[in-house]
Amino acid sequence: EAQVTQNPRYLITVTGKKLTVTCSQNMNHEYMSWYRQDPGLGLRQIYYSMNVEVTDKGDVPEGYKVSRKEKRNFPLILESPSPNQTSLYFCASSLGIYNSPLHFGNGTRLTVT
Amino acid sequence: DAKTTQPPSMDCAEGRAANLPCNHSTISGNEYVYWYRQIHSQGPQYIIHGLKNNETNEMASLIITEDRKSSTLILPHATLRDTAVYYCIVRSQGGSEKLVFGKGTKLTVNP
Repeated sequence: EAQVTQNPRYLITVTGKKLTVTCSQNMNHEYMSWYRQDPGLGLRQIYYSMNVEVTDKGDVPEGYKVSRKEKRNFPLILESPSPNQTSLYFCASSLGIYNSPLHFGNGTRLTVT
Repeated sequence: DAKTTQPPSMDCAEGRAANLPCNHSTISGNEYVYWYRQIHSQGPQYIIHGLKNNETNEMASLIITEDRKSSTLILPHATLRDTAVYYCIVRSQGGSEKLVFGKGTKLTVNP
């Protein structure tokens, strides 16, 4: 089944403890991106990648890192999480960049205490 | 990239057509209009997209005005399961691939 898989679905951690949220797609998509969703703020883009080894900042990249070493994987790294990064995170991918729908994962709910 | 403006909320009676507007007055000629919806806190689901012409699929119809400055998503026979937040975004063929989703329209379908 074609899908975008995020892990974990839920994560509770403490301030400063490095964590990684994984994202994998099995559709050979070129484009991948990460979003966070907070009440009243809608979906905001964190980082995106247009292909392997090509990544760029979205609207809210501070405090996050990403890498795209393989086409299928696009992990989101929080080197030193803080409580203001408590949020619902979504990974998405699309085959191309412009005329291709985004496919979203089921989300990761992160709580940083 | 062009930004979009949507009403924060709308109501619709079950079985009737739901017409959701989106304003994208700064859209450029190479930007596609996309619609997604999000039910509760699930991942957003793709509905439909278009460039200039009206589009229809099994879920909905998309009507884009001739000047392309606005569009309307039509759910022809809304059901309770269509209650969701609907997002209209534009996606360009060039430049940055930043995507701005905004806050969308909360559609409530009433029995």
